[in-house]
Amino acid sequence: DTEVTQTPKHLVMGMTNKKSLKCEQHMGHRAMYWYKQKAKKPPELMFVYSYEKLSINESVPSRFSPECPNSSLLNLHLHALQPEDSALYLCASARAEMVVDTQYFGPGTRLTVL
Amino acid sequence: ELKVEQNPLFLSMQEGKNYTIYCNYSTTSDRLYWYRQDPGKSLESLFVLLSNGAVKQEGRLMASLDTKARLSTLHITAAVHDLSATYFCAVVSGGSQGNLIFGKGTKLSVKP
Repeated sequence: DTEVTQTPKHLVMGMTNKKSLKCEQHMGHRAMYWYKQKAKKPPELMFVYSYEKLSINESVPSRFSPECPNSSLLNLHLHALQPEDSALYLCASARAEMVVDTQYFGPGTRLTVL
Repeated sequence: ELKVEQNPLFLSMQEGKNYTIYCNYSTTSDRLYWYRQDPGKSLESLFVLLSNGAVKQEGRLMASLDTKARLSTLHITAAVHDLSATYFCAVVSGGSQGNLIFGKGTKLSVKP
């Protein structure tokens, strides 16, 4: 099973809302990633979790708050977002951060902030 | 700072023709990836290239890596419409094993 799942597929939220994105994998991977992709642009790394600990935070604003409750699950909590945060949010996983391996991407959550 | 440049950014080609997409990167890296993305969809892993001279092939796509030139190529042979997509190369940032730096992508359109 080489599948990374993400929910919801689409999310529309207002600037005062609080919502969460969820990512799950059951491949035994110990590295999990959040990327943001704007239209017609490449993905940009936001966060990396390695063995359930935050390894990399690419200077992401605090209105994005990641959480890794266990080795299979990765959440991204959203609060007080701006319209410019509208994008496709991609989750990925890999066997481990230091292992030469492929990152497997989930289908993404398309977020619209009104 | 690692920079990854792809060219061309847009490629319109006819079915049956051959073409090459180029990916240059600015600093040493030991891994290079090629991904495919269909409109509105996620990224699909195509190739992982790990060493100088590495060549991998899958169907009509062949990828190669020259670490000395810091160059990877994705060669398309006898293109078909189903290959229409955006292709990204990505390189691991030397200072951070987990940080993939993506090129801007090449939007490929194969016309009958």
